[in-house]
Amino acid sequence: AQKVTQAQTEISVVEKEDVTLDCVYETRDTTYYLFWYKQPPSGELVFLIRRNSFDEQNEISGRYSWNFQKSTSSFNFTITASQVVDSAVYFCALSGDGGTSYGKLTFGQGTILTVHP
Amino acid sequence: DAGVTQSPTHLIKTRGQQVTLRCSPKSGHDTVSWYQQALGQGPQFIFQYYEEEERQRGNFPDRFSGHQFPNYSSELNVNALLLGDSALYLCASSSTWGAGGNQPQHFGDGTRLSIL
Repeated sequence: AQKVTQAQTEISVVEKEDVTLDCVYETRDTTYYLFWYKQPPSGELVFLIRRNSFDEQNEISGRYSWNFQKSTSSFNFTITASQVVDSAVYFCALSGDGGTSYGKLTFGQGTILTVHP
Repeated sequence: DAGVTQSPTHLIKTRGQQVTLRCSPKSGHDTVSWYQQALGQGPQFIFQYYEEEERQRGNFPDRFSGHQFPNYSSELNVNALLLGDSALYLCASSSTWGAGGNQPQHFGDGTRLSIL
């Protein structure tokens, strides 16, 4: 069975601070995929990034960066110079490439990020 | 380019009733998944449809059923509603189930279902 753990339930920062959201996963699949989604108060889950299990390169997109470490089963998400508009619930998710994990997302519990002006 | 659309936005039902939720996938997508998100929790996978067949199913009872139509739209049906079915129901679409589990799923705004 697959499992995603986001240990931080809530994080509160002041604007322009850097913040890192932690994600640890468990899977028996050899090939798997990791995702981050953002859920603003409107409710829609917004896709941010996908990472394949065989590609451990870190990725940067503007103020967002992701650190994938297979050795520790972690896929952490950092927001640099946070802004009020970053306030949302962030979910880490996992899917596999075979069997019962194929094509279905297993989500963590989410981290509520609040950025104060 | 229309994204994933769901209807209705909100719904109030009483215990024992039945409900049908609807979803139209993003243009170009042919695979639809449904998730249940209880308050303060992450979404839980219910099932996934491709080519009008249920391809994957999560740990939900048979009271939860679905359907996919030839135009790729989908319905989620829940029978004999329980108080615990109160949640946000999210529909997600992706392109070609057969292409692999790495396809990003794009979500709609959800239907907020309240059971009294």
